[in-house]
Amino acid sequence: KNQVEQSPQSLIILEGKNCTLQCNYTVSPFSNLRWYKQDTGRGPVSLTIMTFSENTKSNGRYTATLDADTKQSSLHITASQLSDSASYICVVSPNTNAGKSTFGDGTTLTVKP
Amino acid sequence: DGGITQSPKYLFRKEGQNVTLSCEQNLNHDAMYWYRQDPGQGLRLIYYSQIVNDFQKGDIAEGYSVSREKKESFPLTVTSAQKNPTAFYLCASSINKDSYYGYTFGSGTRLTVV
Repeated sequence: KNQVEQSPQSLIILEGKNCTLQCNYTVSPFSNLRWYKQDTGRGPVSLTIMTFSENTKSNGRYTATLDADTKQSSLHITASQLSDSASYICVVSPNTNAGKSTFGDGTTLTVKP
Repeated sequence: DGGITQSPKYLFRKEGQNVTLSCEQNLNHDAMYWYRQDPGQGLRLIYYSQIVNDFQKGDIAEGYSVSREKKESFPLTVTSAQKNPTAFYLCASSINKDSYYGYTFGSGTRLTVV
């Protein structure tokens, strides 16, 4: 069964600090992995997308890494801001049938002043 | 601006009622999806459609129905057969069935049974 596990479940950090969120998956055959940011009561917004051949991708203060061999990804947030407080969701898609993407449960990040 | 519009933002349903959630997109995307999100859980796929007049059941389709008569619209009906409908519902679209292009999500509808 395809699974996506994210850790930690929740995280509290001080403004200005860095943090790293983890995503482990068992989806096979693998097509791509995406990280989304979901503000409370809103729909998720895409941060990064990576395919098998990509091992790092940045979007401003967000940097995602992918190790397709160990089936692990991380999202590193640099110099956190209060607006980074949100849920971060890892989504892994197989290379067959887009409707069968697997969503992680998300990591809830709280940035405190 | 292009995007996905979900309405209403909040919806209250009485026991035994059917309710319909609206989802409209002007992105010219072929594929559309409905997800359910419960507190502390990941998104679960209810139904998806990769082309007009065609749709497929997702992982939790029981108690739900959809239609795709127009490319822009993908309404979701929560029927009285859905025993625990209280949840946050998200509609999404993608350019086509190729997952590489990712999803664009609406702002969601929060459904509560009263």
